[in-house]
Amino acid sequence: EIVLTQSPDFQSVTPKEKVTITCRASQTLGTSLHWYQQRPGQSPRIIIRYASQSISGVPSRFSGSGSGTDFTLTINSLEPEDAAAYYCHQSAIFPYTFGQGTKLELK
Amino acid sequence: QVHLQESGPGLVTPSETLSLNCTVSGASISANYWSWIRQPAGKRLEWIGRIFSDGTLNYNPSLQSRVTMSMDTSRSQVSLKLSSVTAADTAIYYCAITTWGNWFDPWGQGVLVTVSS
Repeated sequence: EIVLTQSPDFQSVTPKEKVTITCRASQTLGTSLHWYQQRPGQSPRIIIRYASQSISGVPSRFSGSGSGTDFTLTINSLEPEDAAAYYCHQSAIFPYTFGQGTKLELK
Repeated sequence: QVHLQESGPGLVTPSETLSLNCTVSGASISANYWSWIRQPAGKRLEWIGRIFSDGTLNYNPSLQSRVTMSMDTSRSQVSLKLSSVTAADTAIYYCAITTWGNWFDPWGQGVLVTVSS
């Protein structure tokens, strides 16, 4: 199965900071890579699909890039409500798999 | 508005079968793929499998020998059974729509299942 490795596992952040999270795949995915946000006590919600496509209702400060095996989620000018866990997910090959998650915590 | 609600026993005895339902409102159960995903505490999300109304089933090979998914269109429910459970199956279990592009949206609120005697 495809292994997704995120970096970092944890980051302490401040409001208005620019945050970058990376996801590296053990095999090429094309652009079949999606990003989710999971706030404490909530279910995950999609924030970026197909590596870089925006989702209706998600703030424009969230953006994604990459293809193949290396992907990036960027949060521009972080808001306090962005303190959450973020997961990448690949849908290129069964079984679908997820990264281990990156937790952003407010300083 | 689409709403998914998972339900089932919160405590299952080791070696028994875990049974969960996902009740759907606001979406056609026949027109979507439905996935089950679980999240053990402190661990990564794990996709369990997906089902479509035409009988299409895709299971995670790591769980395939123990998983059964089914659908009841009259009740707008999708079901999950996981047999021979152990403590390693303790997790929050989510159902979710698998979209045309194979991302998950939306997710149910999840149900915590603990395997313990």
